[in-house]
Amino acid sequence: DTEVTQTPKHLVMGMTNKKSLKCEQHMGHRAMYWYKQKAKKPPELMFVYSYEKLSINESVPSRFSPECPNSSLLNLHLHALQPEDSALYLCASSQGGGVAQGGEQFFGPGTRLTVL
Amino acid sequence: SQKIEQNSEALNIQEGKTATLTCNYTNYSPAYLQWYRQDPGRGPVFLLLIRENEKEKRKERLKVTFDTTLKQSLFHITASQPADSATYLCALQTGGFKTIFGAGTRLFVKA
Repeated sequence: DTEVTQTPKHLVMGMTNKKSLKCEQHMGHRAMYWYKQKAKKPPELMFVYSYEKLSINESVPSRFSPECPNSSLLNLHLHALQPEDSALYLCASSQGGGVAQGGEQFFGPGTRLTVL
Repeated sequence: SQKIEQNSEALNIQEGKTATLTCNYTNYSPAYLQWYRQDPGRGPVFLLLIRENEKEKRKERLKVTFDTTLKQSLFHITASQPADSATYLCALQTGGFKTIFGAGTRLFVKA
C-alpha cells in the first residue's frame, strides 16, 4: 500500500469553529509532514514529525496544532482560523530516520479548507 | 536568505520534443534535490531524487542533473507527450527533513 489518505476532502468552517484534519499511511514511514498550499503557489512546510516526535515547526501560528498519535496517523487540529488560512492542506510521509532521513515524499490528495 | 527559483513559470513545447526545466538555488546546501509533478487540485507526485554527491539520475523518459558548484538542477523529459502537461516542482531537502519547494514550472505539451 503506497497511499497516503486524507480526510475530509473538503472542509468549510467558521472562524470560531474547531475542526481536525486527518492523515494516514501504512507504508511504515517514520516521518510525516503537513504542508499548506495556496492557489498557484508551491507547498509550504508547516510541521514534520519523526518517530512521532515533532521535529520541525516552521513558526506556524498556534491556531494550528499538530498531533501524531502513532506512526501511521497524523492530525492537524484547527481552532479560531482566519479567512487567509483557506488553502489546500497536504499531508506527506517519507521513510525517515537515521541515514535515510528525508528523501522521497508520498503526498495525500489534500484537504481543501475554506474559512468563512 | 535561502532562495530556490525555477526559471520558467510556463513552458510550451511540441509533442515529441525534449522539455528542459531549470531549478536554481542560493544560500542552501541540500542533501537531496527532488522533482515532483502536480496536477490541478491534487497532491504532488514524486518523480526523481538526486543526492548531493550524484551528478545525474535517469528513470524511463526522465533525467535529472545536479551541479552543486553552479547550484543548479536540470530536469529533462524526452519524447514529451500531451499527458506530460502538468506543473513540475523542484524541492530541496536537508538531511533534517526541512523541505523547500520552488514555485513550479507549468509545462504544456501540444499535440
